[in-house]
Amino acid sequence: EVNLVESGGGLIQPGGSLRLSCAASGFTFRNYAMTWVRQAPGKGLEWVSAISGSGGTMFYADSVKGRFTISRDNSNNTLYLQMNSLRVEDTAIYYCAKDVGTVAVANRGDYWGQGSQVTVSS
Amino acid sequence: QSALTQPPSASGSPGQSVTISCSGTSSDVGGYNYVSWYQQHPGKAPKLVIYEVDKRPSGVPDRFSGSKSGNTAFLTVSGLQAEDEAHYYCSSCAGTNNVFGGGTKLTVL
Repeated sequence: EVNLVESGGGLIQPGGSLRLSCAASGFTFRNYAMTWVRQAPGKGLEWVSAISGSGGTMFYADSVKGRFTISRDNSNNTLYLQMNSLRVEDTAIYYCAKDVGTVAVANRGDYWGQGSQVTVSS
Repeated sequence: QSALTQPPSASGSPGQSVTISCSGTSSDVGGYNYVSWYQQHPGKAPKLVIYEVDKRPSGVPDRFSGSKSGNTAFLTVSGLQAEDEAHYYCSSCAGTNNVFGGGTKLTVL
């Protein structure tokens, strides 16, 4: 059974940093692209970032480019999102999702985690 | 990186069909066949119901179908059931990133 569990969220001051993790199990992790999607309170979904199965190709939304870094550890089946220079507008639930295949930017998330709350506030 | 345009709301009675549109440009919806549709119930994670314009993931009823014409994609839900009431979001590849629509609240009357 596919399972994705996010962790690392919390309350952080503007300008601070957080690293989210997404522990994956139940599938051959290295064979699938992975995506981060966020949802601000009461708002719609926003695509954040994606990474290929090998970790060699990464994509970012303009709103986070230069501040967030996506990475993965295929030996430990874990996806990461390093978030620096956090802003109030980054406040959201952050979801990780497994792609149907290998095309990182396709956003075909067939399995999702439960989400991790990130709150940026002074 | 502009959001795709969806109607904020749609509705239908049980058993009826409803179609939700997702309007983009030639740089996203019109340029790629990587259009996905997600269903989201309140407080839950999104669920993939259509990917690559018209493919259904395993376990999704065939009442859900997708199509595309030019720069606009469509999700049709046939034989509406009470459990179909949810928010629906489209998304599309836009080259080196991806973009979601603003979402459509589907109400089953």
